[in-house]
Amino acid sequence: DGGITQSPKYLFRKEGQNVTLSCEQNLNHDAMYWYRQDPGQGLRLIYYSQIVNDFQKGDIAEGYSVSREKKESFPLTVTSAQKNPTAFYLCASTPGTGGYGYTFGSGTRLTVV
Amino acid sequence: GNSVTQMEGPVTLSEEAFLTINCTYTATGYPSLFWYVQYPGEGLQLLLKATKADDKGSNKGFEATYRKETTSFHLEKGSVQVSDSAVYFCALSDTTRGGGFKTIFGAGTRLFVKA
Repeated sequence: DGGITQSPKYLFRKEGQNVTLSCEQNLNHDAMYWYRQDPGQGLRLIYYSQIVNDFQKGDIAEGYSVSREKKESFPLTVTSAQKNPTAFYLCASTPGTGGYGYTFGSGTRLTVV
Repeated sequence: GNSVTQMEGPVTLSEEAFLTINCTYTATGYPSLFWYVQYPGEGLQLLLKATKADDKGSNKGFEATYRKETTSFHLEKGSVQVSDSAVYFCALSDTTRGGGFKTIFGAGTRLFVKA
């Protein structure tokens, strides 16, 4: 079955470390997105990519970086510059523009220890 | 700019009760509207959608009608079950280039259904 795979499900980061969250899709979707979700809150857009080798900052890009070298993959790096990284991170994809709706992965819960 | 406002939760209902979760939006163009559901510890799942005015989206007993005159997309279900307990998100997708093709989510409404 097609879908989005996020890994790991749980991730622990020490102060000052960079960590990378994986997101892979086999849906042949053009666009991919990273969202951050904090407890009891909605989703905030970190980065998005509409085509390979191109990506755009979302509303809260500071302290994060991404790459889109392959259509299937959109990894997110949480750098040491992100001062409050503890959150639930969600990756999503969509075939393109228009009213398709997102397909989401199951998320990665990042905790700073 | 575009925005989505949905009713605050939590909403607590007894099994078989009628559910309404209100959602209103602000948009400059002609957005597509969505409802997503999130179960504990999981990602969001698309529940239903509507892409133009007066469209009704429906799935698993849930319905919502795209009302342009009231800029609303309220979620309804005639008889809720315990298994419907989750967080529900209303969302708007700006399908214009000026909107960046991004989706804006409401803050979410938590639903508890008691047996």
